[in-house]
Amino acid sequence: AQSVTQLGSHVSVSEGALVLLRCNYSSSVPPYLFWYVQYPNQGLQLLLKYTSAATLVKGINGFEAEFKKSETSFHLTKPSAHMSDAAEYFCAVSINTDKLIFGTGTRLQVFP
Amino acid sequence: GAGVSQSPSNKVTEKGKDVELRCDPISGHTALYWYRQSLGQGLEFLIYFQGNSAPDKSGLPSDRFSAERTGGSVSTLTIQRTQQEDSAVYLCASSLVGVPNTEAFFGQGTRLTVV
Repeated sequence: AQSVTQLGSHVSVSEGALVLLRCNYSSSVPPYLFWYVQYPNQGLQLLLKYTSAATLVKGINGFEAEFKKSETSFHLTKPSAHMSDAAEYFCAVSINTDKLIFGTGTRLQVFP
Repeated sequence: GAGVSQSPSNKVTEKGKDVELRCDPISGHTALYWYRQSLGQGLEFLIYFQGNSAPDKSGLPSDRFSAERTGGSVSTLTIQRTQQEDSAVYLCASSLVGVPNTEAFFGQGTRLTVV
């Protein structure tokens, strides 16, 4: 069965520091992978997605993620955190299906 | 419309009552999804529509939950005889033809509280 695991339900960083949110997937076939962000009191918004075209995917707001097959990972990074990045981030996978399976989410806090 | 619209935004109901949650997808989107978001549980898939058909309803947690879609547009999620464990945010999403080929756009959800 397809699944994703997000390590760390909460991550705290200082403004200007590197953001690293971890996601590992489970699949025996090539997956499609996604990162979504949910700002307080808002709906989910797509940050970026991996569809096998390139292993390094750039998304909105300076975020990027790298697909590593050998590690079954799709970690989300941003070189320098901004206060406005505080939100909940969800990793999701779609494997031979027409639906998204989400991880449990990681809440990012950014301190000044 | 401009985006996926869900109503009501908040619903408080008594245990044992039935509730209906509505989703208006983006016009022209054939795929529609329902998810449930509970604290610490992430987003749990409930059901997927392609047009008016539901090829995947594997996530509906019990026979108290049902959903329909009419005219390839509006969808209603019905929960009968609500229980306290049904309290959650129910999210709807629509996609032009379906993920992963086209992006899924989410509504802001309906927060259901069963007291």
